[in-house]
Amino acid sequence: QVQLIQSGAEVKKPGASVKVSCKASGYTFTNYLIHWVRQAPGQGLEWMGVINPADMNTNRAQKFQGRVTLTADTSINTVYMDLSSLTSEDTAVYYCTTELLYAHNFEHWGQGTVVSVSS
Amino acid sequence: QSALTQPASVSGSPGQSITISCTGTSGDVGAYNSVSWYQQHPGTAPKLIIYSVNKRPSGVSNRFSGSKSGNTASLIISGLQAEDEADYYCSSYTRNISFVFGPGTAVTVL
Repeated sequence: QVQLIQSGAEVKKPGASVKVSCKASGYTFTNYLIHWVRQAPGQGLEWMGVINPADMNTNRAQKFQGRVTLTADTSINTVYMDLSSLTSEDTAVYYCTTELLYAHNFEHWGQGTVVSVSS
Repeated sequence: QSALTQPASVSGSPGQSITISCTGTSGDVGAYNSVSWYQQHPGTAPKLIIYSVNKRPSGVSNRFSGSKSGNTASLIISGLQAEDEADYYCSSYTRNISFVFGPGTAVTVL
């Protein structure tokens, strides 16, 4: 079965960067896009961006342009989300989620990674 | 600020049907049949329950159904059960080659 296993919780100071990983298994890695969605405490879901592991093309929400870097390592079926210049407003649970190529929905979800930003 | 609009909360008694609306624009909900719905229980990841407006993934109860008219999509939960108490989010693909979510609707089973 499809599984997305994310890296553990992170505590960062303002201005720092965080890198969250998402290891996929149970399917052909290049058949699905991987999106990143975050959820601030008590808030709703927010789409951040997407990477296509087949060709490494990425697209990010305008809000995160210049601050989010999405990469993938096909040798270990893992996608990474790097978020820089952190502020307290980046405190959230970060999820990776799959989209079957161009199905326009988020089918499988990782367990979430808590990122806390505090001085 | 979310691009899609949902009611903050909806409630119903067991066995009843409820409807959650999701209103967007001609640039997202109205542009494609790419509306999906997610159920999220506290402390867990969201779960896809409806995709492409009205399709159910394997294993999702047929008590969940979806529809769309113009710029507004709807999620209908029939035969409401205690386990349906959760937050529900709609999402749409957009003309900007991006995705937007609604703010979420808290469903309470009375």
